[in-house]
Amino acid sequence: AQSVSQHNHHVILSEAASLELGCNYSYGGTVNLFWYVQYPGQHLQLLLKYFSGDPLVKGIKGFEAEFIKSKFSFNLRKPSVQWSDTAEYFCAVISGGYQKVTFGTGTKLQVIP
Amino acid sequence: EAGVTQSPTHLIKTRGQQATLRCSPISGHTSVYWYQQALGLGLQFLLWYDEGEERNRGNFPPRFSGRQFPNYSSELNVNALELEDSALYLCASSLWRFEQYFGPGTRLTVT
Repeated sequence: AQSVSQHNHHVILSEAASLELGCNYSYGGTVNLFWYVQYPGQHLQLLLKYFSGDPLVKGIKGFEAEFIKSKFSFNLRKPSVQWSDTAEYFCAVISGGYQKVTFGTGTKLQVIP
Repeated sequence: EAGVTQSPTHLIKTRGQQATLRCSPISGHTSVYWYQQALGLGLQFLLWYDEGEERNRGNFPPRFSGRQFPNYSSELNVNALELEDSALYLCASSLWRFEQYFGPGTRLTVT
């Protein structure tokens, strides 16, 4: 069965620190990969997506993610976080055919001013 | 462009009752997804409708059901409510398997 793992459940960083959130999936075929963010009191928003092509994907608010097919990973990065990045981040996978959309369990990021 | 809308915002039911949740997708989107977001469990996929057909369902009992109407809006029904059904139910819409756009959710409380 398809699964998505986000190993970091809660991350605390100081402002200006660099961020990397891990996402690994288990599916051998073609995948579409996404990162979503849920700011406090708001609903889920798309940060970035990967369908094909350049494995380094740039999203909104300075976020980027790298698809490494050999490692089944799609890690999210940001060089310098801000207090406003405090939110919960979800990795998601859609695989070929009539497969389920699978979300990771989320990573709560807390940025300390 | 109007986003995904869900109604009601909050719903309080007692154990054993039925709940009906509604979702209107973004105009032009044909796919609707339903998720359950329970405390500490992340998003659990419930159902996926596209072009009026149920395309896939998650690991939930049959008392979770739904449908998609010709205008692509959707309804989620939960029968025989149990206390553990208390959660935020999220609806998302998309064009086939492209990125999903989420609504604000319906908070269901079962007492």
